[in-house]
Amino acid sequence: DAGITQSPRYKITETGRQVTLMCHQTWSHSYMFWYRQDLGHGLRLIYYSAAADITDKGEVPDGYVVSRSKTENFPLTLESATRSQTSVYFCASFTGGSQNIQYFGAGTRLSVL
Amino acid sequence: QKEVEQDPGPLSVPEGAIVSLNCTYSNSAFQYFMWYRQYSRKGPELLMYTYSSGNKEDGRFTAQVDKSSKYISLFIRDSQPSDSATYLCAMSAMDTGRRALTFGSGTRLQVQP
Repeated sequence: DAGITQSPRYKITETGRQVTLMCHQTWSHSYMFWYRQDLGHGLRLIYYSAAADITDKGEVPDGYVVSRSKTENFPLTLESATRSQTSVYFCASFTGGSQNIQYFGAGTRLSVL
Repeated sequence: QKEVEQDPGPLSVPEGAIVSLNCTYSNSAFQYFMWYRQYSRKGPELLMYTYSSGNKEDGRFTAQVDKSSKYISLFIRDSQPSDSATYLCAMSAMDTGRRALTFGSGTRLQVQP
């Protein structure tokens, strides 16, 4: 299916465990983003990538790691999950053109117990 | 103080009403303005996109940007129950860096049949 897909859709884990959230896009967009959505905060940028092998921090990067070895994939890893990382995580992508219109995946709902 | 302020609602209106949703912002560098609609447990989907100041109309939806007042609006005419969702304003500056969007916290709209 064309578009941007996230997996898993739901995840429950325990504090201290490592968790990886997957994001895959079929458009060959150069830019990809990870946001988290929390009540009262809207979406906040965690990390972004301008191209394969180019990543950089966003607004709330602490406790997260990303990689981008292939253009179509942009996994997000929580190295040692904490309760404060309970959130809904959205992956997004766009072409890199001037309009900056981003397309979002359906999200991963993560609960850290 | 947040860069983008948005009343979280909830806003409840009867079917057929005109809805007005608003955001204010503080960063004068913002030039791209977007409205995303987000249904429950779904990812945000782009509804309207505007560059710089002015109005844009698409069917029942009108987006307005007033850069002098740092104020953007989304109007929904003849509102329908299917319009019930959270509406997120988003904006970005023209930069060559991360191209991330800055979001408002979202306004939850309920259209009563």
